[in-house]
Amino acid sequence: NAGVTQTPKFRILKIGQSMTLQCTQDMNHNYMYWYRQDPGMGLKLIYYSVGAGITDKGEVPNGYNVSRSTTEDFPLRLELAAPSQTSVYFCASSQRQGVVYSNQPQHFGDGTRLSIL
Amino acid sequence: GENVEQHPSTLSVQEGDSAVIKCTYSDSASNYFPWYKQELGKGPQLIIDIRSNVGEKKDQRIAVTLNKTAKHFSLHITETQPEDSAVYFCAASKEGGGTSYGKLTFGQGTILTVHP
Repeated sequence: NAGVTQTPKFRILKIGQSMTLQCTQDMNHNYMYWYRQDPGMGLKLIYYSVGAGITDKGEVPNGYNVSRSTTEDFPLRLELAAPSQTSVYFCASSQRQGVVYSNQPQHFGDGTRLSIL
Repeated sequence: GENVEQHPSTLSVQEGDSAVIKCTYSDSASNYFPWYKQELGKGPQLIIDIRSNVGEKKDQRIAVTLNKTAKHFSLHITETQPEDSAVYFCAASKEGGGTSYGKLTFGQGTILTVHP
């Protein structure tokens, strides 16, 4: 089991460029999340998805877009990169438990370190 | 929305000592509290979690306590070892239906250094 896999691990972008951060999980989890982690700060939720075809905004969604066409994949897209988007990005997944959702542990990838210059 | 405050931001201990990290939360409806350990260059890994129906949970050298009245919870690591050195994050979430969907609000993190 690979768990949650993120690619690329590192990337440098120029201001105004676009890119897609890839995330895939092989645990058949329903829920997936994207977070950003800035130095000295905790993780902040960008977008999340509760299943294929369903996505919603988190705390800091501006400048990002997501899609969820399959259970396994949850890519994050930056359309017009800005210096404020320099950060470490983490993807996570968790499993729905029961009809009334019971929180299950989130499993994280190892992150994508993105610098925008 | 939920706000989680974590203290201290850095903690330095000698090997064998105990370490305690504290978090407070603002939303009284939160009822799931996980702790994550993040090593350099890695993603966070769950080390222990607690739900609101219990006041304490222990797993070998790690324990978590929860005071729902005061809205705070703490991580206790006993007999610390150099390999415990990492960044530790607390988080809070609501369980159940509606729009929770397992979304976590994280504290700012504590850098724990264990000196041999």
